[in-house]
Amino acid sequence: DAGITQSPRHKVTETGTPVTLRCHQTENHRYMYWYRQDPGHGLRLIHYSYGVKDTDKGEVSDGYSVSRSKTEDFLLTLESATSSQTSVYFCAITDPGLAASTDTQYFGPGTRLTVL
Amino acid sequence: DQQVKQNSPSLSVQEGRISILNCDYTNSMFDYFLWYKKYPAEGPTFLISISSIKDKNEDGRFTVFLNKSAKHLSLHIVPSQPGDSAVYFCAALSGGSNYKLTFGKGTLLTVNP
Repeated sequence: DAGITQSPRHKVTETGTPVTLRCHQTENHRYMYWYRQDPGHGLRLIHYSYGVKDTDKGEVSDGYSVSRSKTEDFLLTLESATSSQTSVYFCAITDPGLAASTDTQYFGPGTRLTVL
Repeated sequence: DQQVKQNSPSLSVQEGRISILNCDYTNSMFDYFLWYKKYPAEGPTFLISISSIKDKNEDGRFTVFLNKSAKHLSLHIVPSQPGDSAVYFCAALSGGSNYKLTFGKGTLLTVNP
């Protein structure tokens, strides 16, 4: 157990509404990531953070924003949800240099989001 | 352009036999490779990894082989068990990339009793 929780675990929303997903960690890891998983696409990186208030885009960042105001929380916001953002969203954490397998990312349980 | 490829969407093996999952990559800057296992409705869990300075890493029933010249890695599971039935993702990392992983699309392994 890597001490990662995601909330909510399931959400159904309507097109055009804002949605915020939360990732919380208790491990004090510096790096946090948001991925989405879709059939036929594997896991694709949306945004990531390498410290408080330090974030950057991944390969599928359009339509998403993130914020990290404290080490333990990383928020993913869909400003105006679209049906194409229906997916399963995973948060991951890592802290390179602190373990033998330094670059391993550990994943949360996921949030299933449905946009109608 | 897909930099990490898992060309077999699915694989079915008998319990007790060997499972071999394959992964190819195109980016020669990748220097660390990982395999994750994912059960339905759960997050991916780390399985095994290998650095580019090695060609083999073993952990119990799981062995990962890396062929840098061919840009190919494989995961061997021996013996396969029904509980190994899951989706397996190959992932790669290049140094200096802010530890961003690039994932393949995954292979669904089914181990039949």
